[in-house]
Amino acid sequence: QSVLTQPPSASGTPGQRVTISCSGGASNIGSNAVNWYQQLPGTAPKFLIYSYNERPSGVPDRFSGSKSGTSASLAISGLQSEDEAAYYCAAWDDSLNEVVFGGGTKLTVL
Amino acid sequence: EVQLVESGGGLVQPGGSLRLSCVASGFTFNNVWMNWVRQAPGKGLEWVANIKQDGSEKHYVGSVKGRFTISRDNAKNSLYLQMNNLRAEDTAVYYCARDRFVVVTGTLDVWGKGTTVNVSS
Repeated sequence: QSVLTQPPSASGTPGQRVTISCSGGASNIGSNAVNWYQQLPGTAPKFLIYSYNERPSGVPDRFSGSKSGTSASLAISGLQSEDEAAYYCAAWDDSLNEVVFGGGTKLTVL
Repeated sequence: EVQLVESGGGLVQPGGSLRLSCVASGFTFNNVWMNWVRQAPGKGLEWVANIKQDGSEKHYVGSVKGRFTISRDNAKNSLYLQMNNLRAEDTAVYYCARDRFVVVTGTLDVWGKGTTVNVSS
């Protein structure tokens, strides 16, 4: 059971906007930045969003993040077929002294 | 080019040991926290351990405490994971990852391609 909770799956059609939620607690999302990673099948995770809503160089502005209290969300607008991947949220946990991940959300582009 | 390259994975029997290595290039290795993250077959990501720039502080996930040891050699730009008393549930792809910030934040901005560990008799 993951410390951060994500829905196991999500889907959308090309051009749509989809959101993926991530729920945690006071010691992780509630007090630290949330990061998001994208993992295409058979590849290493890719750094996608950090500090709630900052994008590393090269990440399209179709990807955005937000946080409210102990929950966070990843939004993908203008969905494209190449966005089909697993998405993970993560944060440092002050109580555990660990990086905690969500269980991952598999996004399907219909 | 900023790069992390892992090695040392393989097939090992339950109770055995293995040492993973990760060589960094393209950035100042001794300025950053470093991490190991693993992914069991068909499962999600699980953070394993991290280590401070000078090696003075280390953290581990509960399931590996007492069995795994993270270390680094800044002169060789290298990160290590010594894994002892391996169990079937340690079977996974092990990734080396850099923390983006000087203080520990768990913001893993650079990842290696991973090395596969298979614990089986």
